[in-house]
Amino acid sequence: DIQLTQSPSTLSASVGDRVTITCRASQTISNFLAWYQHKPGQAPKLLICKASTLESGVPSRFSGSGSGTDFSLTISSLQPDDFATYYCQQYYTSSPYTFGQGTKLEIK
Amino acid sequence: EVQLEQSAAEVGKPGESLKISCKGSGYDFSNYWIGWVRLMPGRGLEWMGMIYPRDSDTRYSPSFQGHVTISVDKSINTAFLQWSSLRASDTAIYFCARHDTAAGSVLPDFYYGMDVWGQGTTVTVSS
Repeated sequence: DIQLTQSPSTLSASVGDRVTITCRASQTISNFLAWYQHKPGQAPKLLICKASTLESGVPSRFSGSGSGTDFSLTISSLQPDDFATYYCQQYYTSSPYTFGQGTKLEIK
Repeated sequence: EVQLEQSAAEVGKPGESLKISCKGSGYDFSNYWIGWVRLMPGRGLEWMGMIYPRDSDTRYSPSFQGHVTISVDKSINTAFLQWSSLRASDTAIYFCARHDTAAGSVLPDFYYGMDVWGQGTTVTVSS
């Protein structure tokens, strides 16, 4: 299985901050990586696919980059609604698809 | 509106069987893979497997193969996740999600992420 390692596991930040979450794959996955946002009591939400393609309706303060084994999700100016847990997911191989362990973004 | 509606929370005992469901609406259910994802406290999201309703092609994560069964009844636009023998460690929230792909292909060039999710079903296993 392809392993994804996210860092940091927890990130404390303030409204207006610029934050970056990284995701490292155990082998090259080209740009076949998605990012999700998850809030307690809600369904996860797809933010980005193909490492950098923003889903329709996702605010432009979110951006993704990377290819090969190293990827990042950046929020340019944190808003109150952005405090959540973020997961990367690889789809280079479908058996199985795998998620990173998650990064909890909390209010400082 | 495209949506996935999951069945209500369940409580079971170790060793019991259980089946939860995920009903799709607002889109061509047969032509999109439906996946199941587990959320356990402290463990994050875990992809369990998926099924293609058109032909019932099913893929499992090795971590879940043999312990759960994914099935579908396309006549009622519903996918299922079932256990024949529950364990306490199955206590979790289970989400179904639509895999957005081109024409049902699992090739990465034609995959666009899990774009529609159910609301989650909480399964509690306790004696």
